[in-house]
Amino acid sequence: AQKITQTQPGMFVQEKEAVTLDCTYDTSDPSYGLFWYKQPSSGEMIFLIYQGSYDQQNATEGRYSLNFQKARKSANLVISASQLGDSAMYFCAMRGINTGTASKLTFGTGTRLQVTL
Amino acid sequence: DTAVSQTPKYLVTQMGNDKSIKCEQNLGHDTMYWYKQDSKKFLKIMFSYNNKELIINETVPNRFSPKSPDKAHLNLHINSLELGDSAVYFCASSRTRDGYSPLHFGNGTRLTVT
Repeated sequence: AQKITQTQPGMFVQEKEAVTLDCTYDTSDPSYGLFWYKQPSSGEMIFLIYQGSYDQQNATEGRYSLNFQKARKSANLVISASQLGDSAMYFCAMRGINTGTASKLTFGTGTRLQVTL
Repeated sequence: DTAVSQTPKYLVTQMGNDKSIKCEQNLGHDTMYWYKQDSKKFLKIMFSYNNKELIINETVPNRFSPKSPDKAHLNLHINSLELGDSAVYFCASSRTRDGYSPLHFGNGTRLTVT
């Protein structure tokens, strides 16, 4: 079984500042992938970044980076130099790897980020 | 080019009706999914197909029936619609069924049952 916990229902950040969105997880799978998705008010789900549990380095994609701490079972998303367009709902998710069965992408409850001037 | 497209975008219908949502992906992916997002924004998997084979079938009322005519298409048919079926339904695809493969989502279908 997998569980994703996002404890921040809402966050505010000023434009051009960095912000960290928290995500902790629990799984019995020895290998797994961690994902972050963005859902703007228009409703679409946008894939942002991926981290494999076996990766030694933290993933980065442009202004997004994933602060992966395996021992703490955390996979926080860091957004640098926030922009107004970053205002959205952000979801942390995970899937087992090489589970031998179909791998479900399990989502957290999301964090709503509001970027202010 | 739209990678994962689903139609319609909005669907308003009365209780008891039957409706379908269509999904197509042009990414060449092997695996497709249906997710339901409730009013609290929680996303839950409903079904998954891999190369036309059903591989995930969550605890969903049997009024919901997926169909995959080929690996690029996955449709969702809902019989005898109920008020509680109102939600946003997302189609998604991934290159493989395994856990390192990110899902790419369609834009969602907002279903309202009155």
